Amino acid sequence: AQSVSQHNHHVILSEAASLELGCNYSYGGTVNLFWYVQYPGQHLQLLLKYFSGDPLVKGIKGFEAEFIKSKFSFNLRKPSVQWSDTAEYFCAVALRGTDSWGKLQFGAGTQVVVTP
Amino acid sequence: DGGITQSPKYLFRKEGQNVTLSCEQNLNHDAMYWYRQDPGQGLRLIYYSQIVNDFQKGDIAEGYSVSREKKESFPLTVTSAQKNPTAFYLCASTFRSMNTEAFFGQGTRLTVV
Repeated sequence: AQSVSQHNHHVILSEAASLELGCNYSYGGTVNLFWYVQYPGQHLQLLLKYFSGDPLVKGIKGFEAEFIKSKFSFNLRKPSVQWSDTAEYFCAVALRGTDSWGKLQFGAGTQVVVTP
Repeated sequence: DGGITQSPKYLFRKEGQNVTLSCEQNLNHDAMYWYRQDPGQGLRLIYYSQIVNDFQKGDIAEGYSVSREKKESFPLTVTSAQKNPTAFYLCASTFRSMNTEAFFGQGTRLTVV
């Protein structure tokens, strides 16, 4: 069965530290990839997305992600975090195979806490 | 304004009762989804629908049912067979024929009392 794995459930770091969140998926076909963020008390927002082309994609608020097809990975990075980046981050994969077109699956999420 | 509307925002039900959560979108999206969000488990897919009058089970469909009679509507019924229905439920939609992201509603928090 298809699945999306996020490596860390909780991450605590200081302001100005670098952040990297891992995401791997298990599906051999064509996929679209996403990172969503959920700030405390708010609904899900799109951070960035990958459909095709340059595997390094840039999103909002200084986030970027790199798609490595051979590793089935789509890791999220930010060089220097701020306190306002405290949130839960979700990796998501949309399948593009003929049997499962449109199935959009999420990872378990990573709770990121940035301390002043 | 275009968007996805979920109602109600909070819902209480007694054990043994069925309850239906509403999801309406005016984005002209083809595909719609229902997720359940529990702490530490992310968003788990309950059902999804790519076109009207068709839907597929997600990863945790047991105890739930859906219908897709209209493009803009995808109601979710939580039946009495769902053993642990207290959760936050999210509805989403997206285009089927284009590479776009999904848009989410504000969610419904269901509590069984």
